[in-house]
Amino acid sequence: SQQGEEDPQALSIQEGENATMNCSYKTSINNLQWYRQNSGRGLVHLILIRSNEREKHSGRLRVTLDTSKKSSSLLITASRAADTASYFCATESNTGKLIFGQGTTLQVKP
Amino acid sequence: EAGVTQSPTHLIKTRGQQATLRCSPISGHTSVYWYQQALGLGLQFLLWYDEGEERNRGNFPPRFSGRQFPNYSSELNVNALELEDSALYLCASSLGQVARGTQYFGPGTRLLVL
Repeated sequence: SQQGEEDPQALSIQEGENATMNCSYKTSINNLQWYRQNSGRGLVHLILIRSNEREKHSGRLRVTLDTSKKSSSLLITASRAADTASYFCATESNTGKLIFGQGTTLQVKP
Repeated sequence: EAGVTQSPTHLIKTRGQQATLRCSPISGHTSVYWYQQALGLGLQFLLWYDEGEERNRGNFPPRFSGRQFPNYSSELNVNALELEDSALYLCASSLGQVARGTQYFGPGTRLLVL
């Protein structure tokens, strides 16, 4: 079963705007990871945030983690058309396996 | 440095046949994971191998099996194929059990069962 629930399911914005995606999960975790997938291809790892971290940055990406609310958000600033993709959160909790959310489909219009 | 590689990229089989999918991890990674991404079902964990042993298994029937070789590459075998096995199969690798963390994914094998 999918642990992560992502919100929104689809997001359409203009180039230059910021995009925020949210992820909620159900059980305790070791870490939470965000991935991007272009058109049904392989997943590209974006960022990993551990359960004892609250915020992490990587370039135009900012991830927050609130373990008390069992939620995370991914912010993409100054979006580009090339950011158009599906974004997934995935949690890992001592089992080795990643449990993925259903994903958010982001469209960035030029 | 080469990433995770998978072969073949596409595979077409008929119902009842067997499929074999292959994965080579990133050099230095000992853990290999398999996931299924079927339409409407999202990404589902299949199997995890580390140091040649199966460490965890997802909620899939026994006809989904695999193995990891001494060079850490891995095979996923699907026996008695059913139409609903049509999906993108993704392999990922990571450093071993002790240093679990980021899983790096390959481009996937798209399996079509007719």
